[in-house]
Amino acid sequence: AQKITQTQPGMFVQEKEAVTLDCTYDTSDPSYGLFWYKQPSSGEMIFLIYQGSYDQQNATEGRYSLNFQKARKSANLVISASQLGDSAMYFCAMREVPSGGSYIPTFGRGTSLIVHP
Amino acid sequence: NAGVTQTPKFRILKIGQSMTLQCTQDMNHNYMYWYRQDPGMGLKLIYYSVGAGITDKGEVPNGYNVSRSTTEDFPLRLELAAPSQTSVYFCASSYSFLAGGNEQFFGPGTRLTVL
Repeated sequence: AQKITQTQPGMFVQEKEAVTLDCTYDTSDPSYGLFWYKQPSSGEMIFLIYQGSYDQQNATEGRYSLNFQKARKSANLVISASQLGDSAMYFCAMREVPSGGSYIPTFGRGTSLIVHP
Repeated sequence: NAGVTQTPKFRILKIGQSMTLQCTQDMNHNYMYWYRQDPGMGLKLIYYSVGAGITDKGEVPNGYNVSRSTTEDFPLRLELAAPSQTSVYFCASSYSFLAGGNEQFFGPGTRLTVL
């Protein structure tokens, strides 16, 4: 079973509107971290935002916020006031705290976001 | 700080050839990682290291080897290149995977084609 699921292969949004990119995860560890990365067409991976499993409040970083619903095991990224430069691939990732065994951080397959003027 | 640097940026190999992808970080991070990204896919972990002299396999280690003789360097070795190893390779580093919020810093990637 996939540990990180991003069900939206592609999303379109009008400039200045908000958009939500979905991410669900699967883990039995009580302690874990969730990350979102942006990959523009140039190829580099850019860290956007982090949410810890014990964090009481949803993480926010400028126009990015993470809608963390622990019971539903979802960690959706919300981008407010979309800009043309937001057009990119977005990856959700999870890092579990290992309790023995190998540590393997997991990335989702990504969602392609296109912002229309 | 240069961050994470990778060389080369592009490389074409013939089947059966070998090569080493170089990765260096100047942030004094203990943890380093090698990923591959196939077209339209997310990242898959090849190998990782928690410090000099310590490496471990990730999800897709077959066909690759690594070493970590210093904190700064984490080269990835491809032996007997195969077309299935055509991919973009990313090196990354982080302070710790046990502490919260410590994101990975990525290099610019190496685009490898095996013909």
